[in-house]
Amino acid sequence: DGGITQSPKYLFRKEGQNVTLSCEQNLNHDAMYWYRQDPGQGLRLIYYSQIVNDFQKGDIAEGYSVSREKKESFPLTVTSAQKNPTAFYLCASSPGFQETQYFGPGTRLLVL
Amino acid sequence: EDQVTQSPEALRLQEGESSSLNCSYTVSGLRGLFWYRQDPGKGPEFLFTLYSAGEEKEKERLKATLTKKESFLHITAPKPEDSATYLCAVQAGRDDKIIFGKGTRLHILP
Repeated sequence: DGGITQSPKYLFRKEGQNVTLSCEQNLNHDAMYWYRQDPGQGLRLIYYSQIVNDFQKGDIAEGYSVSREKKESFPLTVTSAQKNPTAFYLCASSPGFQETQYFGPGTRLLVL
Repeated sequence: EDQVTQSPEALRLQEGESSSLNCSYTVSGLRGLFWYRQDPGKGPEFLFTLYSAGEEKEKERLKATLTKKESFLHITAPKPEDSATYLCAVQAGRDDKIIFGKGTRLHILP
């Protein structure tokens, strides 16, 4: 089955800790994206990658970092600089940049 | 400023009671409009893409339409399993930015 997987489903972060969220796709899509979803707000773009070894900041990149070393993988690191990390994180991919996006199941990040 | 507004925020319907959800937008240079369905605790599921005014797309009990200022998601004779949050997103502007609305929470009562 083709699709997007995210892991873990739930993640707990301690103060001062960096955590990494995984996103993998087997759809052979070139573009990948990370969004943050908070209650009562629309999805906000954190980072995106149009192609392997390239990525760009979105609207709320501060406190986050990404890498795109393989076409299938686009991990997101939430650093200790992100002071309000509690949210639902969604990874998406599209065949080409800004074409129809398909989403993974999400990771919920909670702070201990 | 580019904006996408969805209304109502929440909607409760009886099973079989047809209605419409609205997505209005103020953007420059619309390139596409997307509808998604999102169940609680899950990622959005793609429903439709519309590209130009007058375009319509259907899937089961759902029909999406597009005008120059807004899109409607019509739900005909809904069932309880249609309960979800429906998200609208607009692609526009020189950089093809995609902007999401806050969604409409739909609850269908049996």
